[in-house]
Amino acid sequence: QVHLVESGGGVVQPGRSLRLSCAASGFNFNIYAMHWVRQAPGKGMEWVAVISYDGSHKYYADSVKGRFTLSRDNSKRTLYLEMNSLRAEDTAVYYCARAESQDFWSGYANWGQGTLVTVSS
Amino acid sequence: ETTLTQSPAFMSATPGDKVNISCKASRDIDDDLNWYQQKPGEAAIFIIQEATTLVPGVPPRFSGSGYGTDFTLTINNFESEDAAYYFCLQHENFPWTFGQGTTVEIK
Repeated sequence: QVHLVESGGGVVQPGRSLRLSCAASGFNFNIYAMHWVRQAPGKGMEWVAVISYDGSHKYYADSVKGRFTLSRDNSKRTLYLEMNSLRAEDTAVYYCARAESQDFWSGYANWGQGTLVTVSS
Repeated sequence: ETTLTQSPAFMSATPGDKVNISCKASRDIDDDLNWYQQKPGEAAIFIIQEATTLVPGVPPRFSGSGYGTDFTLTINNFESEDAAYYFCLQHENFPWTFGQGTTVEIK
């Protein structure tokens, strides 16, 4: 059974950094693109970033480009999101999600339960 | 960017009801639209892929229809366990975008 577990969320001051992790199990992590998606309080889901199966391709939403960095360690079956220069508008529950298929542009088959990031002074 | 307009934002349903949730795309997305169900504190569940295909293991009272710009998620014979937050996702155009979601509660 596919399992995605996010961690690393918390309360952080504006301008500071935070690193989120997503531990994967139950599938061949090495062959799927992985995404981060977030949901701000009272808002809909917002795609944040995607990384290809081997880490060679990464794409970011304009709202986080230049501040967030996505990486993965396939040997540890773990996805990371390094978030720098955090802003109040980055406050959200952050979810990792696995691509539906080996097609990079597919939707998402599985989601984690999310980790809450609160940016506040 | 493709905007998905989902409606209604909130609705109440009685067990046995037929529930329809709409998702309208701002441009043609073929059938590259998925539906998800999420309950508070839980991971979202993939219920409909490619607009109309029921994901294995999902009860057949769920169905999806539509192509191009207009899509609908239907729950026939609504059950209390179906009370949840539902949202659509398009993956035809970059970036991936979502509908604003629909909260379905039990009347």
